[in-house]
Amino acid sequence: AQSVTQLGSHVSVSEGALVLLRCNYSSSVPPYLFWYVQYPNQGLQLLLKYTTGATLVKGINGFEAEFKKSETSFHLTKPSAHMSDAAEYFCAVSDRNTDKLIFGTGTRLQVFP
Amino acid sequence: SAVISQKPSRDICQRGTSLTIQCQVDSQVTMMFWYRQQPGQSLTLIATANQGSEATYESGFVIDKFPISRPNLTFSTLTVSNMSPEDSSIYLCSVEHGNYGYTFGSGTRLTVV
Repeated sequence: AQSVTQLGSHVSVSEGALVLLRCNYSSSVPPYLFWYVQYPNQGLQLLLKYTTGATLVKGINGFEAEFKKSETSFHLTKPSAHMSDAAEYFCAVSDRNTDKLIFGTGTRLQVFP
Repeated sequence: SAVISQKPSRDICQRGTSLTIQCQVDSQVTMMFWYRQQPGQSLTLIATANQGSEATYESGFVIDKFPISRPNLTFSTLTVSNMSPEDSSIYLCSVEHGNYGYTFGSGTRLTVV
C-alpha cells in the first residue's frame, strides 16, 4: 500500500530564506504525488502534482518539487520565503488502483520577519 | 476542475445525536471520498463512495458510525452517528475529476458537546 512520510512536523525559516519541506513515499507502483497547502481555517489548495513526464514540477506561488525515484522523495522547495507562505503543507500519494489520496502527517511552516 | 459545495460549514451538536453532511459537485464524478481531519492532524480517509454501490470503508471506520449515501453522480452525504466529543473534527469530501485532479470541499467543522 502507498504511504508518505513527512520529515519534520514544524519548519521555521526567515523571510527570504530557502524553504525545504521533505516528503518520502512508499509505493509498489510508479506513484502520483501531490503537495497541498492549508491556510489557517481554510480548505486545501493544490500546490502542484507529479503524474508523469518531467520530474521537476513547478506549482503555484513559486513552489516546486522534484520527483526522485532513486531516493523515493518528492521534496517541496521555494527559493525565497514570504510571510504569506506560513501554513500547513501536506504531501500526498495517489493509489493508482483505487484512486485514493493518502496524506502525510503535514508540516507546519512558520516564516519569521 | 470540479467545484464542490459542502454543507454545513460548521455545527455544534449534542453528544448522542447525528449530523448529516452534504456534498454537491457541479459535474458528474465516479468516485467521491470522505476524509476526517482531527484537530491539529492530517487528513484521514474514511471511505470511498461510488454511485450505485456500497461505500468502501477504511480500517477503523464502520458503516454504522459513518453511513454514506451516493444517490447519483453529483451528490453524496456522510452521517456522523451517535456522536461523542471524540468525533469533533473537520470532515471533508473530495472528488477525483480526471488526470488525477482532486478537489476538496471547504469542510464541515464539527464540535460535539
